Amino acid sequence: EPEVTQTPSHQVTQMGQEVILRCVPISNHLYFYWYRQILGQKVEFLVSFYNNEISEKSEIFDDQFSVERPDGSNFTLKIRSTKLEDSAMYFCASSWGTGNQPQHFGDGTRLSIL
Amino acid sequence: RKEVEQDPGPFNVPEGATVAFNCTYSNSASQSFFWYRQDCRKEPKLLMSVYSSGNEDGRFTAQLNRASQYISLLIRDSKLSDSATYLCVVMDNNDMRFGAGTRLTVKP
Repeated sequence: EPEVTQTPSHQVTQMGQEVILRCVPISNHLYFYWYRQILGQKVEFLVSFYNNEISEKSEIFDDQFSVERPDGSNFTLKIRSTKLEDSAMYFCASSWGTGNQPQHFGDGTRLSIL
Repeated sequence: RKEVEQDPGPFNVPEGATVAFNCTYSNSASQSFFWYRQDCRKEPKLLMSVYSSGNEDGRFTAQLNRASQYISLLIRDSKLSDSATYLCVVMDNNDMRFGAGTRLTVKP
């Protein structure tokens, strides 16, 4: 069964540094998403991406964050000037369509900011 | 603020029990509904979509009441492997909103 893959599985970074989280969505999916989950809290939507542009973003997704699809397979989340509170699990997801099309999640990148 | 509310539990039930989870959502314009399960420190995995007429998948039954903005999940004949956190998910356009989850532990 095709799956969403994410790298790295765990990223440890000093506060103030930039990180790039990588995702390879399912190949025939057209919509891509990033979510985060702070330990013990609920999954929070960050951003959705379609046709090479952001289609929606949450209030969490401020100027510190950016997304890119640099080639036909990768989908990246960049976090600039990381803060301690950015420590969380970051999940990438993809779907074939919107509406009643479910999203399929990667197994996440654990980001630890020191 | 649009919210998805769930009873956090935990629900501790014996094997073979029937257990039901409830979820309410605040945005009456929400379009699509799902139940996901999440094991500890793992990614959410789709359990089932929720359709207006209600739907069943083996031991799992999902119901939607749009008038009351209420979603339910029923698990029959629960198994040890059903132990997980069950996430109610509501889709508004392209924005997927998760409840905080209901934790289920099935004991032998």
